[in-house]
Amino acid sequence: GESVGLHLPTLSVQEGDNSIINCAYSNSASDYFIWYKQESGKGPQFIIDIRSNMDKRQGQRVTVLLNKTVKHLSLQIAATQPGDSAVYFCAEINAYKYIFGTGTRLKVLA
Amino acid sequence: DTAVSQTPKYLVTQMGNDKSIKCEQNLGHDTMYWYKQDSKKFLKIMFSYNNKELIINETVPNRFSPKSPDKAHLNLHINSLELGDSAVYFCASSQSRLPLDEQFFGPGTRLTVL
Repeated sequence: GESVGLHLPTLSVQEGDNSIINCAYSNSASDYFIWYKQESGKGPQFIIDIRSNMDKRQGQRVTVLLNKTVKHLSLQIAATQPGDSAVYFCAEINAYKYIFGTGTRLKVLA
Repeated sequence: DTAVSQTPKYLVTQMGNDKSIKCEQNLGHDTMYWYKQDSKKFLKIMFSYNNKELIINETVPNRFSPKSPDKAHLNLHINSLELGDSAVYFCASSQSRLPLDEQFFGPGTRLTVL
């Protein structure tokens, strides 16, 4: 079972609703950003990425928005499903290094 | 047909011991990484190797020594284990060191130091 990460920010969403997970990044020189999903007991898994010359990118049921003015990244998940329950991390990439955010736990309520 | 595998999955040991964690990738990637995830789920890169050459070495105690016998393997040896070393350690690999190349993570090794 999972005993770590109990103090993570948590977002609880009703199944079928849209989810928005936010992330503030630190370095205005970062030129590439990624969202990862980490399910319990597993390693992080790539969801979607965006380059700094874009402000929006869409995937299947997911959209990433980038606001460079305020150094903010968001992940929108449409029609949230039980399988979306996980911890979500943003990562900023600068000079070949990945810097991960603190993570948000998404709980999908039936 | 596991892509990135780590052994062991769980490791419980006493303070002061020396232990190793092994990582193997069968993706043909050139670059491999070690990350540490603490109890607050904070994930931080420790090392990165490209074709057996160290390219990233973050501020990690020198008790931690990565070893890459070939580009498919990156092992992590830890000397004189301390309580603060308790964490989940993830290995990852990517096609190259370029940031645009997706990193694939292993399942993690949960290290508990008593």
